[in-house]
Amino acid sequence: AQSVTQPDIHITVSEGASLELRCNYSYGATPYLFWYVQSPGQGLQLLLKYFSGDTLVQGIKGFEAEFKRSQSSFNLRKPSVHWSDAAEYFCAVGVSGGGADGLTFGKGTHLIIQP
Amino acid sequence: GAGVSQSPRYKVAKRGRDVALRCDSISGHVTLYWYRQTLGQGSEVLTYSQSDAQRDKSGRPSGRFSAERPERSVSTLKIQRTEQGDSAVYLCASRWIRGCSYEQYFGPGTRLTVT
Repeated sequence: AQSVTQPDIHITVSEGASLELRCNYSYGATPYLFWYVQSPGQGLQLLLKYFSGDTLVQGIKGFEAEFKRSQSSFNLRKPSVHWSDAAEYFCAVGVSGGGADGLTFGKGTHLIIQP
Repeated sequence: GAGVSQSPRYKVAKRGRDVALRCDSISGHVTLYWYRQTLGQGSEVLTYSQSDAQRDKSGRPSGRFSAERPERSVSTLKIQRTEQGDSAVYLCASRWIRGCSYEQYFGPGTRLTVT
């Protein structure tokens, strides 16, 4: 079965600084990979996804992520964070073939933005 | 059009009672999923239903959880004999298949508190 690890429970970054959130997955084949963001009281919003092809994927709100097969990682990055980026971030993996079993999520990283 | 919606947004139930949570998905989406989200634990898939199925395909944690599909774009998650451990946010997601990839769109969630 697949699994996702987000090693950092909390991360604090100054506004304007760069950001990298770590995600490692475990799966035997090439998975579908996702990053979602959740603000308090809101549902999960898809930031970006990787299915195949170019390993550097661009998402919404200036986020990008890079799939590194050798490291089983899919880290999320943003060159300059804004106060509105403060939220909970979830990495998720879906199995190839459609994901009828649903997505497997990491436990999340809580991002705090310092002024 | 509108995204995925869920009702009620908040639900308080006495232990032992049955509850039903509703999800209205995006028209045309095929599969509906129910996830349970708990603080610090991320989200785990509970059950899902295909477009032509009235009942769910899985039953994790089995027995007390079930999903019905009274209409193509509507799913109802039923929890029987609620327990305090069922207190969580329940997220509904619908799946859109485009080409050989897929995405899941999430609703805002229903926060269930079992007293």
